[in-house]
Amino acid sequence: DAGVIQSPRHEVTEMGQEVTLRCKPISGHNSLFWYRQTMMRGLELLIYFNNNVPIDDSGMPEDRFSAKMPNASFSTLKIQPSEPRDSAVYFCASSSTGAGTGELFFGEGSRLTVL
Amino acid sequence: KNQVEQSPQSLIILEGKNCTLQCNYTVSPFSNLRWYKQDTGRGPVSLTIMTFSENTKSNGRYTATLDADTKQSSLHITASQLSDSASYICVVQPRRGSQGNLIFGKGTKLSVKP
Repeated sequence: DAGVIQSPRHEVTEMGQEVTLRCKPISGHNSLFWYRQTMMRGLELLIYFNNNVPIDDSGMPEDRFSAKMPNASFSTLKIQPSEPRDSAVYFCASSSTGAGTGELFFGEGSRLTVL
Repeated sequence: KNQVEQSPQSLIILEGKNCTLQCNYTVSPFSNLRWYKQDTGRGPVSLTIMTFSENTKSNGRYTATLDADTKQSSLHITASQLSDSASYICVVQPRRGSQGNLIFGKGTKLSVKP
């Protein structure tokens, strides 16, 4: 299996621009998670989906952030407009049991720099 | 407030030596405790998952222990290798929660020197 696939791996953009991060979960996994990692705060959950339905988006910082999962094999995280404080590494993870103790598989992350 | 605290923040050891990383948590009750390894520029990878009823689990040279009474866990690395240089993250899942409720520590950065 190819694992969780994220794109782009690196993104540099200017403040005010729209940023779209993409994620393909592991085939057969029914839960998908978006995390943000910074040196100061570590890993923070932004939103997670179970069977393509958003379950908890309380971690989404503000209305500038939105996430979609149109089907079981694809999800996007969009930031519009982007700000310098959004600079971080964004991870997507998937699991086969959202409510259980199943293993969480992370992608390699998308490093975002907003100038 | 549910918290996971890790110590030390960073650690430097010589290749071949053993080391132990600590994790203290206040999450109660909890379902399981996990240790992840994160190489620089990569995503975290699971090392061990222990349920609240387990007190030790091994994965090669990595051994995790759990003391639910004192709410402490440790990750012991035996005969360290250069490839062990990474951040190690302790994660706790509350009992009444899904994987969307995982509580992450900030990690211990381990550097193994030749």
